[in-house]
Amino acid sequence: AQSVTQPDIHITVSEGASLELRCNYSYGATPYLFWYVQSPGQGLQLLLKYFSGDTLVQGIKGFEAEFKRSQSSFNLRKPSVHWSDAAEYFCAVGASGGGSNYKLTFGKGTLLTVNP
Amino acid sequence: SQTIHQWPATLVQPVGSPLSLECTVEGTSNPNLYWYRQAAGRGLQLLFYSVGIGQISSEVPQNLSASRPQDRQFILSSKKLLLSDSGFYLCAWSVRGPLAQPQHFGDGTRLSIL
Repeated sequence: AQSVTQPDIHITVSEGASLELRCNYSYGATPYLFWYVQSPGQGLQLLLKYFSGDTLVQGIKGFEAEFKRSQSSFNLRKPSVHWSDAAEYFCAVGASGGGSNYKLTFGKGTLLTVNP
Repeated sequence: SQTIHQWPATLVQPVGSPLSLECTVEGTSNPNLYWYRQAAGRGLQLLFYSVGIGQISSEVPQNLSASRPQDRQFILSSKKLLLSDSGFYLCAWSVRGPLAQPQHFGDGTRLSIL
């Protein structure tokens, strides 16, 4: 079964600093990977996805993520954080073949606080 | 473009009362539909998913049920709410296909049980 670990429950950064949120997955084949962002009281918004090809993927709001098969990781990065980036971030993995292709497994999330 | 609507946005219900949360999707056909519950610090828990009208799969045994009476309508119900049913409920849809697809979420319903 697939699983996702987000090791950091809460991260605090200063506005303008760089950001990296960690995500490790467990899946027997090449996974499909996603990052979502959730503002308080809102639903989840898709930031970016990785299906295949270039291991560095660009998303919305200036975010990018890099798929590293050897490390089973899909870390989210942003070079300069804005106060509006304060939110909770979720990494998710989906199956790339076989049964249950329609389900995603989500990590427990990383809460990002941005200091002025 | 596709949109997803969930209502109500907030709901306060007494223990033992019934529940009906509704979700509709516009701008797409034959979507996969999902109900999640989100508790603080526990991430998203998939409750039900549906790959077609009348086809419901339950992920977690519980006090809730789901129905899909129309292609783009997904309903979450309970006959008698428990205190443990409190939480933030999210509906999502994805394109139907053989491979995992991004899921797109509604704005959620905050359910408080008194």
